[in-house]
Amino acid sequence: DIQMTQSPSTLSASVGDTVTITCRASQGISTWVAWFQQRPGRAPKLLIYQASHLEAGAPSRFSGSGSGAEFTLTITSLEPDDFATYYCQQYSSYPWTFGQGTKVEI
Amino acid sequence: EVQLVESGGGLVKPGGSLRLSCAASGFPFSSYSMNWVRQAPGKGLEWLSSISSSGSFVHYADSVRDRFTVSRDSGNSLYLQMNSLTAEDTGVYYCVRGTSGAMVLDRWGLGTLVTVSS
Repeated sequence: DIQMTQSPSTLSASVGDTVTITCRASQGISTWVAWFQQRPGRAPKLLIYQASHLEAGAPSRFSGSGSGAEFTLTITSLEPDDFATYYCQQYSSYPWTFGQGTKVEI
Repeated sequence: EVQLVESGGGLVKPGGSLRLSCAASGFPFSSYSMNWVRQAPGKGLEWLSSISSSGSFVHYADSVRDRFTVSRDSGNSLYLQMNSLTAEDTGVYYCVRGTSGAMVLDRWGLGTLVTVSS
């Protein structure tokens, strides 16, 4: 199985900051990575697919990059709604796997 | 508007069974793959199963293979039959649409809570 390792597990930031979350795959997965946002008590929401493609309706302050085994999610100019938990997920091969999550807190 | 509404969750004893349903609307259901993803209390996301648009191809996580069965019908519904449940199966179960082609998990239901406890 492909392991997805996110860092950091928790990130403290302020409104207006730019933050970066990293996800490393245990083997090369091309660009078959998605990023999700989950607010407390809510279902996850797709932000980025295929490593760098912004999902329709997702704010442009979210961006993704990377290929192979290292990927990043960057949030430019944090807004109050962005304080949430973020997950990466690989869909290169089954079983699909998620990172353990990164909580972005104030 | 895409809607995915899960039902069938509840309290079940260890060793018991439960069948989850997901009613889909707002898109051509037969053209999309579908998935189940769960989240244990306070934990991360765990992909459980995928079924192709035709229903011909299914995949399972090792943790549920041989105990869970995914299926779909022509009436815009997705199912998850869960047998031999243990406390580790407790969590919120999400029905998730997969895009055609790459099968990105693009739309999620609100989830249904399954609690396995004596």
